[in-house]
Amino acid sequence: AQSVTQPDIHITVSEGASLELRCNYSYGATPYLFWYVQSPGQGLQLLLKYFSGDTLVQGIKGFEAEFKRSQSSFNLRKPSVHWSDAAEYFCAVGVSGGYQKVTFGTGTKLQVIP
Amino acid sequence: NAGVTQTPKFQVLKTGQSMTLQCAQDMNHEYMSWYRQDPGMGLRLIHYSVGAGITDQGEVPNGYNVSRSTTEDFPLRLLSAAPSQTSVYFCASSRQGGSYEQYFGPGTRLTVT
Repeated sequence: AQSVTQPDIHITVSEGASLELRCNYSYGATPYLFWYVQSPGQGLQLLLKYFSGDTLVQGIKGFEAEFKRSQSSFNLRKPSVHWSDAAEYFCAVGVSGGYQKVTFGTGTKLQVIP
Repeated sequence: NAGVTQTPKFQVLKTGQSMTLQCAQDMNHEYMSWYRQDPGMGLRLIHYSVGAGITDQGEVPNGYNVSRSTTEDFPLRLLSAAPSQTSVYFCASSRQGGSYEQYFGPGTRLTVT
């Protein structure tokens, strides 16, 4: 069965600093990979997704992620964090099949300090 | 286009009470899902549906029932609430055909005392 690990529960960065959130997955075939963001009291919003092709994918709000098959990783990056990026971020892996089952990681909470 | 809507936003139940969490989507998506979100555990799939009249269990189905009589609606029923069901519940929908992008509702925060 597929699984997703987000090793960092909580990360604090200064506004303007760069950001990298880690995600490792376990799945036998080529995965479908996602990053979602959840602002306080809100539902989840898709930031970006990887299905195939270019391993560096661009998303909304200036985020990007790189798929590295050899490391089973799909880390999320942003070169310069804004205070509005404070939220919880979830990595997820999708399994092909009749139902588009998506397994989520446990999330990383991002705090941005001035 | 409202997307995915959920009602109520907040609910407090006593142990043993029953209730239905409502979910509706207006995007004509075939797939709909219910998740619960608990601190440190991410989102866990409760039940899902691949179309009207077709539902199946996710990883944590015990204590919950679902039905799907229309494409738009996917209610989640708690027959006899327990404190372990205190959680935030999210409904999501997605389009059949490979996108996998899930559209989430705003959530229902449920407390069982």
